[in-house]
Amino acid sequence: KNQVEQSPQSLIILEGKNCTLQCNYTVSPFSNLRWYKQDTGRGPVSLTIMTFSENTKSNGRYTATLDADTKQSSLHITASQLSDSASYICVVSGGAGYNKLIFGAGTRLAVHP
Amino acid sequence: ETGVTQTPRHLVMGMTNKKSLKCEQHLGHNAMYWYKQSAKKPLELMFVYSLEERVENNSVPSRFSPECPNSSHLFLHLHTLQPEDSALYLCASSQGLAGPYNEQFFGPGTRLTVL
Repeated sequence: KNQVEQSPQSLIILEGKNCTLQCNYTVSPFSNLRWYKQDTGRGPVSLTIMTFSENTKSNGRYTATLDADTKQSSLHITASQLSDSASYICVVSGGAGYNKLIFGAGTRLAVHP
Repeated sequence: ETGVTQTPRHLVMGMTNKKSLKCEQHLGHNAMYWYKQSAKKPLELMFVYSLEERVENNSVPSRFSPECPNSSHLFLHLHTLQPEDSALYLCASSQGLAGPYNEQFFGPGTRLTVL
């Protein structure tokens, strides 16, 4: 069964600290993996997208890693800011005639001053 | 803003009402999607349209009826909903359906409450 699991479910950190969010998937065949940020009451916004051959990709203070062998990904946030408070959703695309997206339940991050 | 707008942003309706959700994309994309997002659950794909043709109906109850009159507009018609249908309904669009960089752009969503 194609699944995407994220951990932790929620996380609280202090402003300025770093954190790492985890994503494990069992999607096959694998096409690409994306991380989205979703602010409360808004739609998800893409942070990074990685294909099978990419191990890491950065977008400002966000760095995503991908290990296609172990089917794991992580999103590292450096020097967190209050505006980083949001849900972070891991999404894996698996070929099924078209790129059907399989969503994780998300990690809810709260950055406190 | 992502170029995808949704109206209304909030909707409260009774179980016997009929209402419609509207989505419009200003990105020149060819594919549009409806998703349901319930609390603490992953996004659930409901419908996919490509070039105004429905390519996926993900086992959605018939009380949800999509309509795609052109590649820029997508509607979700609602009737005789149940309280468990209360959720955030998200619309998305993409340039096409396939390819590793076929990124979906999401609208802000409609928060639906069914009484």
